[in-house]
Amino acid sequence: AQSVTQLDSQVPVFEEAPVELRCNYSSSVSVYLFWYVQYPNQGLQLLLKYLSGSTLVESINGFEAEFNKSQTSFHLRKPSVHISDTAEYFCAVSDDGGFQKLVFGTGTRLLVSP
Amino acid sequence: GAVVSQHPSRVICKSGTSVKIECRSLDFQATTMFWYRQFPKQSLMLMATSNEGSKATYEQGVEKDKFLINHASLTLSTLTVTSAHPEDSSFYICSARAGTFTEAFFGQGTRLTVV
Repeated sequence: AQSVTQLDSQVPVFEEAPVELRCNYSSSVSVYLFWYVQYPNQGLQLLLKYLSGSTLVESINGFEAEFNKSQTSFHLRKPSVHISDTAEYFCAVSDDGGFQKLVFGTGTRLLVSP
Repeated sequence: GAVVSQHPSRVICKSGTSVKIECRSLDFQATTMFWYRQFPKQSLMLMATSNEGSKATYEQGVEKDKFLINHASLTLSTLTVTSAHPEDSSFYICSARAGTFTEAFFGQGTRLTVV
């Protein structure tokens, strides 16, 4: 069975500082990995995904994540965060790439302060 | 991205009553909709998958007679929590996708409190 572990429930950081949100997964089959962001009172939005190809994937707002098969990780990073990045971030794994049966982690709340 | 709307965003109901939650795809036709449940401090758990015009497929451990799912049109799926009890209090989230390998878009969720 697949599972996702997000060890940090909350990550406080100052504006313009770098941040890394950790995600580790377990799966016995091919994996497809996703990061979702949830802003207050909004639905989850897809931030970025790894399906195949380059192990480094980027989002349009400066986040990136690297698929590391040997470490079974898909950590999310941003070199300089903004106040507006404050949100809940969920890592998810799927075994079919079709957004079917996503298995989510427990989420990490990123708190950016001035 | 496409918009998925859930209604209501919050609902409080008395124990023993039934509650219906709607999930609508506003600007695309959703062949498949998913219903998730999230307990505090826990991850989203898939409850069931529904394809338009077909019976929903429930995940193991989810009572299909308690959580009735209807996907009668390509833009609307409903989740009815029947004979609700306090332990059914949770955050319910739907997502919808247009095709097999297309992105699934999420609604904003519904906070259900059973008193």
